Amino acid sequence: QKEVEQNSGPLSVPEGAIASLNCTYSDRGSQSFFWYRQYSGKSPELIMSIYSNGDKEDGRFTAQLNKASQYVSLLIRDSQPSDSATYLCAAVNILNEKLTFGTGTRLTIIP
Amino acid sequence: KAGVTQTPRYLIKTRGQQVTLSCSPISGHRSVSWYQQTPGQGLQFLFEYFSETQRNKGNFPGRFSGRQFSNSRSEMNVSTLELGDSALYLCASSRGQSNEKLFFGSGTQLSVL
Repeated sequence: QKEVEQNSGPLSVPEGAIASLNCTYSDRGSQSFFWYRQYSGKSPELIMSIYSNGDKEDGRFTAQLNKASQYVSLLIRDSQPSDSATYLCAAVNILNEKLTFGTGTRLTIIP
Repeated sequence: KAGVTQTPRYLIKTRGQQVTLSCSPISGHRSVSWYQQTPGQGLQFLFEYFSETQRNKGNFPGRFSGRQFSNSRSEMNVSTLELGDSALYLCASSRGQSNEKLFFGSGTQLSVL
């Protein structure tokens, strides 16, 4: 079992709809979580971080964390074609400070 | 402010050779991490250096090694290259706290023939 698991997709969402990306983690020592976006042929860039249970909103993006269920999600409201990318979930273990990435979910927004 | 710089951008090597990749972090960043990215495995952590010391290491064989210099620049070396080492190698820098945002370089695309 991978430490951070994501559905590889591709996930296709119509423009203007809500895109929902999910991630589960197995290491209970994970305390900090991140969502990175990677456009094809480019490097990853951080879009959201979340450390506490609940929701965190930033513009069209909402990150959700449920530590009891070991589940992290990213919602993208009013999806735009420019949101088409691979989204990487990452978790940091509080003890060894090691950052582990999931394999990513490829998201395609259909105009 | 200049971003993370990786050189070279592309490399073609043959099996058995060795290769050295270079990474210059953002000015003021003391932590440099290296990742291997392949289509099947995603981003896999190689190692992290902070103030010239290896702070964390992933599950890669000893053929993969790295170091960090006093100016925070880092190099990664792979010896006795295998076909499976073909990948995009990404370097990321940060100031060094575990919760911090990573800034990635453009990567070095290594092809082993």
